[in-house]
Formats: sequence, C-alpha cells, structure tokens
Amino acid sequence: DTGVSQNPRHKITKRGQNVTFRCDPISEHNRLYWYRQTLGQGPEFLTYFQNEAQLEKSRLLSDRFSAERPKGSFSTLEIQRTEQGDSAMYLCASSSYEGRGANVLTFGAGSRLTVL
Amino acid sequence: AQKVTQAQTEISVVEKEDVTLDCVYETRDTTYYLFWYKQPPSGELVFLIRRNSFDEQNEISGRYSWNFQKSTSSFNFTITASQVVDSAVYFCALSEPYSGGGADGLTFGKGTHLIIQP
Repeated sequence: DTGVSQNPRHKITKRGQNVTFRCDPISEHNRLYWYRQTLGQGPEFLTYFQNEAQLEKSRLLSDRFSAERPKGSFSTLEIQRTEQGDSAMYLCASSSYEGRGANVLTFGAGSRLTVL
Repeated sequence: AQKVTQAQTEISVVEKEDVTLDCVYETRDTTYYLFWYKQPPSGELVFLIRRNSFDEQNEISGRYSWNFQKSTSSFNFTITASQVVDSAVYFCALSEPYSGGGADGLTFGKGTHLIIQP
C-alpha cells in the first residue's frame, strides 16, 4: 500500500463552479477524515467516516459541501458554487480504529484549491 | 480562547543546536490525547507521537523527546542536535473524545515553522 492518495493535487477554478476531490485511503483503514488547511493555519476538521457512514460533520462544512464514501473505500468531497473563501488545501486522512479519540491519522499530500 | 496554542510561529537555528517547540492546550476533559505531527515542504503531515492524558511519562525517540506536564497543560517537543532535514512545520494537536465537539476530530495548533540552517 502506498499510503493515502488524493487527486487532483491542484485545482484552479472560477468562482461559482463546482469541484470534486477524491481520496483513496489505506485499504485496511476503516476510518476516513477530511480536513481543510489555509495558509499559516493548522488543519481544521471537516468530517469523518467509519466505513460508509458519515459519523461527524463540523460546523465548517456548509451546505455547499458534501462528502461521500459510497462503498467504504474511496471518498469524494464536492464543493458546489465555490467561493474565494474556499481556497485552501483539502487534506484527507485515514486510520484504523484504536479507541475513541486515540486514532493515529495517516494523511495524504492534499488537494490545493484556488478559486479565482 | 484557542484550545491548542503554539506561541512560536517560526524558529530558526543552526544545525546541531537543540530546539524546543512549545505546545499549551486547554481542555476540561479528564480523558484526552495529545499528538505531534510534522509537515515537511511536500505537504503530507507525518505522525510523530501520541500521548494520553493518563500517561505523563516523558518519551525519547532518537533525537526527539517530549515533555508532558499536566500541571501546566503543556506538551513540549525537543529536537536534540538538529539537522537540516528537521526543517518543517510542526503541529501539536488535541483530541477530546468525550466532548461535544466530535469524537474523532483533532484540534490543531497553528504550527511552528522550524528552519534549520546548515
């Protein structure tokens, strides 16, 4: 296994367009997370899945954002009607379950979104 | 108030110097976890250590060591004999599994950019 893979690595789009990011986690990991990181800040939690179930969504995940993990393997994060404030690095991570709150996350290299 | 404070935005040292990165956290929970992650220029965060709130033993791993002090709510990270390859942004993170803010979401600090000059 080569780790967590994210595509595309870079996306430039115009305001109002929709974008979709894909994450392929480590195959034996049943948990998958999405974080957002803006310049000079730490990652901020967006949502996570256990298998195909989306168990938690942060208040940062507005209704323009939707995440899916249809078969409990890869996940997609879609942003509709993008705004300039959506420009950020979108990080995906996966983990196996080690205990509530104790999970060690393996991160992908991220998908950088620039909204013009 | 921030839950995880990394007051040092940037630190620059010369290779072979020792350097300590500070992390102060805030939680009302008795059960929590603290983490350090490294983010090199490639962008991929790399796990370094996890510590639970009941284990205050300091830990050493090669040139890395961690000092966890519940009395001061700090979890500091020291690199001994720094090397250029240690240059990265280092993040401290807190997990509060029994608070209302999400069972598995980590709260990260803003990070400390460590520059090791040759």
